[in-house]
Amino acid sequence: SQQGEEDPQALSIQEGENATMNCSYKTSINNLQWYRQNSGRGLVHLILIRSNEREKHSGRLRVTLDTSKKSSSLLITASRAADTASYFCATDATGANNLFFGTGTRLTVIP
Amino acid sequence: DAGITQSPRHKVTETGTPVTLRCHQTENHRYMYWYRQDPGHGLRLIHYSYGVKDTDKGEVSDGYSVSRSKTEDFLLTLESATSSQTSVYFCAISDATGGSGGELFFGEGSRLTVL
Repeated sequence: SQQGEEDPQALSIQEGENATMNCSYKTSINNLQWYRQNSGRGLVHLILIRSNEREKHSGRLRVTLDTSKKSSSLLITASRAADTASYFCATDATGANNLFFGTGTRLTVIP
Repeated sequence: DAGITQSPRHKVTETGTPVTLRCHQTENHRYMYWYRQDPGHGLRLIHYSYGVKDTDKGEVSDGYSVSRSKTEDFLLTLESATSSQTSVYFCAISDATGGSGGELFFGEGSRLTVL
């Protein structure tokens, strides 16, 4: 079974608006990562947040982690058409070496 | 961009035929992974390797085998392809495990269609 599940499955916003997508997971983790995938391409790492961190920023990205609720959110501020992509969260399960990916949120930013 | 090359990028084959996908890296990363991506399922781990000749199964390993005889190459073999193995296959590499915060670098994918 998958470790992470993203919500919503699809999101459509206007350029300049903020986009928020959520990830829920099932077991304790050491860290959580977010990846982006443009259509027809491989995934690209965006940001990592460790289990002892609550919030992390990278450019227009803000990630939060609530280990008590087993959830994370990715906020993209001031979205651009180029942000159109699918976004995936990936978690390790404590004691495991691998990352487990969710089903992704497909973001469409309308110019 | 990380030096990861997948081949072939596209392949159409018939049920029952063997298929081998190749992943080649120039980064000298220790860990290599094969994932498959299907609509509604996200990415699922097939097999991974933590060193030359050291491999292990992932969550969807049935019908697949792997080999890693050199650091730079990780082969995924479908011994007898089935239509359920129609998918996009991604190779990924990392220099640390996911549990220790290793970032995965992905190839561009190999689209396999089994008729």
